[in-house]
Amino acid sequence: GDQVEQSPSALSLHEGTGSALRCNFTTTMRAVQWFQQNSRGSLINLFYLASGTKENGRLKSTFNSKESYSTLHIRDAQLEDSGTYFCAADFGGSNYKLTFGKGTLLTVTP
Amino acid sequence: EAAVTQSPRSKVAVTGGKVTLSCHQTNNHDYMYWYRQDTGHGLRLIHYSYVADSTEKGDIPDGYKASRPSQENFSLILELASLSQTAVYFCASRTGEGVTLYFGAGTRLSVL
Repeated sequence: GDQVEQSPSALSLHEGTGSALRCNFTTTMRAVQWFQQNSRGSLINLFYLASGTKENGRLKSTFNSKESYSTLHIRDAQLEDSGTYFCAADFGGSNYKLTFGKGTLLTVTP
Repeated sequence: EAAVTQSPRSKVAVTGGKVTLSCHQTNNHDYMYWYRQDTGHGLRLIHYSYVADSTEKGDIPDGYKASRPSQENFSLILELASLSQTAVYFCASRTGEGVTLYFGAGTRLSVL
């Protein structure tokens, strides 16, 4: 089965509101990275977390390594926040690869 | 912000033809990766490299080869392109473990 499960698969928000995206992992891992894929298809780095919480503007992410999940909170959503959000698990190991979830499609409407 | 440059940005290829996608990074990173993105599958790892002149298979290597002639350059080669290889391809790099992965802008490949 998938090692990285993202939920929800799609989410619609009105401008000014907020919500949380979640990633569950089926095994223990070293860290998680969050990306936004914008309308042009570019993958934008949001956070890399090995533990705890990081915050940047209207975005905040937490990583609970013991319970194997991570969340991305968006507050005061803006139109430019629309896009697909991916979490990627850094399981460690010799190849240092990231394993991606299937993404959450976020649509922010006026 | 680290720089990863992919070329071409888009390409149309014929079935059975050879396709080479190029990636160049100026970050002095040891690790480079090729991922493929298909709708509904997120990104999946094709090949990676941790040192020049060496490449390793990722999760979906069949039908692809990779080449790392220098630390800065990493190519993905489709010797006999097939319809099923139509996708967006992303190159990425990072220093090693425990640090941020940086992506290029992607190459949209259509095989007809």
